[in-house]
Amino acid sequence: AQKVTQAQTEISVVEKEDVTLDCVYETRDTTYYLFWYKQPPSGELVFLIRRNSFDEQNEISGRYSWNFQKSTSSFNFTITASQVVDSAVYFCALNSRGSTLGRLYFGRGTQLTVWP
Amino acid sequence: DGGITQSPKYLFRKEGQNVTLSCEQNLNHDAMYWYRQDPGQGLRLIYYSQIVNDFQKGDIAEGYSVSREKKESFPLTVTSAQKNPTAFYLCASSFPAQPQHFGDGTRLSIL
Repeated sequence: AQKVTQAQTEISVVEKEDVTLDCVYETRDTTYYLFWYKQPPSGELVFLIRRNSFDEQNEISGRYSWNFQKSTSSFNFTITASQVVDSAVYFCALNSRGSTLGRLYFGRGTQLTVWP
Repeated sequence: DGGITQSPKYLFRKEGQNVTLSCEQNLNHDAMYWYRQDPGQGLRLIYYSQIVNDFQKGDIAEGYSVSREKKESFPLTVTSAQKNPTAFYLCASSFPAQPQHFGDGTRLSIL
């Protein structure tokens, strides 16, 4: 079974604070992909990152960084020096080879609010 | 510009009425998907299609129907059998195992 858990329903921080969004996944497959999407108030989902199961290197993109740890089945997302524009719902998602190619399993999302 | 277009942005349904949500993409993607989003629930898969004239049920297909007669189009019909249709509906498309691209969504409400 494929499952993604985002235990944090809501997080509030003040601008310039760092914040980490947690994501824990379950899959029996050895080949899989993990994704993060951002959903601003306007509603559309914006793709942020994709990682495959064979690449455990952490990734940094500007103020965003991702920590992938297979040993704990986690793919956490950190925003450094948060800004008001980072306020959104963030979704973690999983696609595994055992499921139909392309099908994503989403977590319930974490609502991030950044206060000025 | 390439992308996914969903229409209408807002839709109202009367009791016993079927309504159809449009989804068109010009990204040449093979796969298309419909998701339903309820507050605090994340995205749940309704239907998906990997090729023209073929589609599969997702996790919550009851009360919905789809067609895939053209590669670019994947309309979703919310039938009167769907007793709780009020939600935000998102359409997506992708190449296999690649990131899905999403439309702006349609918000469906009951009159």
